[in-house]
Amino acid sequence: DAGVIQSPRHEVTEMGQEVTLRCKPISGHDYLFWYRQTMMRGLELLIYFNNNVPIDDSGMPEDRFSAKMPNASFSTLKIQPSEPRDSAVYFCASGGGGYEQYFGPGTRLTVT
Amino acid sequence: QKEVEQNSGPLSVPEGAIASLNCTYSDRGSQSFFWYRQYSGKSPELIMSIYSNGDKEDGRFTAQLNKASQYVSLLIRDSQPSDSATYLCAVTGAGSYQLTFGKGTKLSVIP
Repeated sequence: DAGVIQSPRHEVTEMGQEVTLRCKPISGHDYLFWYRQTMMRGLELLIYFNNNVPIDDSGMPEDRFSAKMPNASFSTLKIQPSEPRDSAVYFCASGGGGYEQYFGPGTRLTVT
Repeated sequence: QKEVEQNSGPLSVPEGAIASLNCTYSDRGSQSFFWYRQYSGKSPELIMSIYSNGDKEDGRFTAQLNKASQYVSLLIRDSQPSDSATYLCAVTGAGSYQLTFGKGTKLSVIP
């Protein structure tokens, strides 16, 4: 079975540009999580969904960040406008109702 | 503020030895506990989960949980160079699916 799929794997953009990260969870999983990882702050939860509904977005750093899950097999994380301090690795993870989460390969974002 | 604390390391052990990784957490209501392994440049990979006090063994890995002391540990027996990675401890709160991660312990297994 395919794991969590993320695209793109690498993104380099200029400050002020819009960035869209994409995630396809494991089929049948009804929880989806977006994380950000930096050396300074470690792995931080940004937002998570259950059955396509956002449950907790308290980790979203500011209004420039938004996330959607239009259906059970697709989610996006958007940053508009992007800033250099948004540079990080963004992970998507999914879970099947137990508490275990399985991570995708991540998107390495660099904002110059 | 829920916190999960780990020694950042690096923890160096010789090949074949037992590596012991430790984690403490602040939320006494935490219910689920996980260990993830993360190789450099890769994503976290779930290697162990534990939900009740005591030990849980899976191959060369043993997770230990002591809720009274708010302490979780991971033992790796017969350590191999391929075990060299950062190990992340993660904890959920009561009835919550939200994971709080520690910053990880970097393990280096010396051949």
